[in-house]
Amino acid sequence: GAGVSQSPRYKVAKRGQDVALRCDPISGHVSLFWYQQALGQGPEFLTYFQNEAQLDKSGLPSDRFFAERPEGSVSTLKIQRTQQEDSAVYLCASSLGFSSGNTIYFGEGSWLTVV
Amino acid sequence: LAKTTQPISMDSYEGQEVNITCSHNNIATNDYITWYQQFPSQGPRFIIQGYKTKVTNEVASLFIPADRKSSTLSLPRVSLSDTAVYYCLVGDRGGGATNKLIFGTGTLLAVQP
Repeated sequence: GAGVSQSPRYKVAKRGQDVALRCDPISGHVSLFWYQQALGQGPEFLTYFQNEAQLDKSGLPSDRFFAERPEGSVSTLKIQRTQQEDSAVYLCASSLGFSSGNTIYFGEGSWLTVV
Repeated sequence: LAKTTQPISMDSYEGQEVNITCSHNNIATNDYITWYQQFPSQGPRFIIQGYKTKVTNEVASLFIPADRKSSTLSLPRVSLSDTAVYYCLVGDRGGGATNKLIFGTGTLLAVQP
């Protein structure tokens, strides 16, 4: 597609439920990022992939959060045993490469509400 | 830890030029300066990026002084639809294992009629 696509756009989960959020990056983009954005705050970095390799997962808040990109294109962010503090917008972004001058493009986000 | 400092909010009127200044005292040699715009319920949208001096595109200009410790985003003749949060970011675009951008709190620009 023309841009970064995320699904579902909105998700309501009961506390303790597992959720999976999908990201389709721009075709051919090597780099893929996940960010978490709480209400009224700026996006916070979660994890980074270069192709299928997860090179940085320093921002994942706990071991309940897991991300994968097995074939170097589509990525899934999985949150196990969701808690209310996981309620946020989860943003996926991609860029063509990782070298200078490559612009990072964001998707519209997946809004997760844990009740 | 955010590497940039910018005003929390700014007010303007339609048709005015708006300048938003960002401080990044600890900018590294390889860091580029990037500005994003974000509307409610949407993801951040790339506006402009630069390394030094002045960069201009169809929507904005970016002024970067020689010491690169600050930058100014200039929006000419704003309209009501420019009301949004504007983020200034610095990041190492020179390769390496992670090329992540660190967001601060952003500047909420409110344009009034």
